[in-house]
Amino acid sequence: GAVVSQHPSRVICKSGTSVKIECRSLDFQATTMFWYRQFPKQSLMLMATSNEGSKATYEQGVEKDKFLINHASLTLSTLTVTSAHPEDSSFYICSARDRAGAGEKLFFGSGTQLSVL
Amino acid sequence: DQQVKQNSPSLSVQEGRISILNCDYTNSMFDYFLWYKKYPAEGPTFLISISSIKDKNEDGRFTVFLNKSAKHLSLHIVPSQPGDSAVYFCAASRSYNTDKLIFGTGTRLQVFP
Repeated sequence: GAVVSQHPSRVICKSGTSVKIECRSLDFQATTMFWYRQFPKQSLMLMATSNEGSKATYEQGVEKDKFLINHASLTLSTLTVTSAHPEDSSFYICSARDRAGAGEKLFFGSGTQLSVL
Repeated sequence: DQQVKQNSPSLSVQEGRISILNCDYTNSMFDYFLWYKKYPAEGPTFLISISSIKDKNEDGRFTVFLNKSAKHLSLHIVPSQPGDSAVYFCAASRSYNTDKLIFGTGTRLQVFP
């Protein structure tokens, strides 16, 4: 099956620093990638939809200036958490859609556990 | 407001028996439902789906049942195998090809010998 690579898998940073998370589709081109966040004991929540070559679409309540998304190529999207604070500590996971297709064509990365001290 | 709920955080089943994972939803506009399976340190992978025009979809050992009037779906795994031990997420969307999936909190299934 299709593979989505997400790095890093775990990051610990100091409050106020910025953290970049990469999401790559390894064997297919993804015009659309998605970023989710999951707090403990809660569900995966969609943060934003990343479209190649255009601005990301953010879900309600997600600060676009804090969570910068760049989708510069058909195989790479990045999420940068700017000026991270302890409340940003969470599990972040990306997914990519293999061109046309519904939910079954969504392939997920393995996630990034962010801990902000 | 949790629109997709998986009220059982964990389930333990003996190998060979049936595993039944439940999912409830509140939004009657949802018309497409999916189950994902997640192993530790890996991302969720698609398992099976069902659209609202059906009440059952079967794929090998996995069957998903949908009860629209009760806004309830369930995933049956039979017979359960130790390799099925994972976290199972239910997800719902408003149309077949939508980008926005609403996930449940997951149920951790453990299949013991």
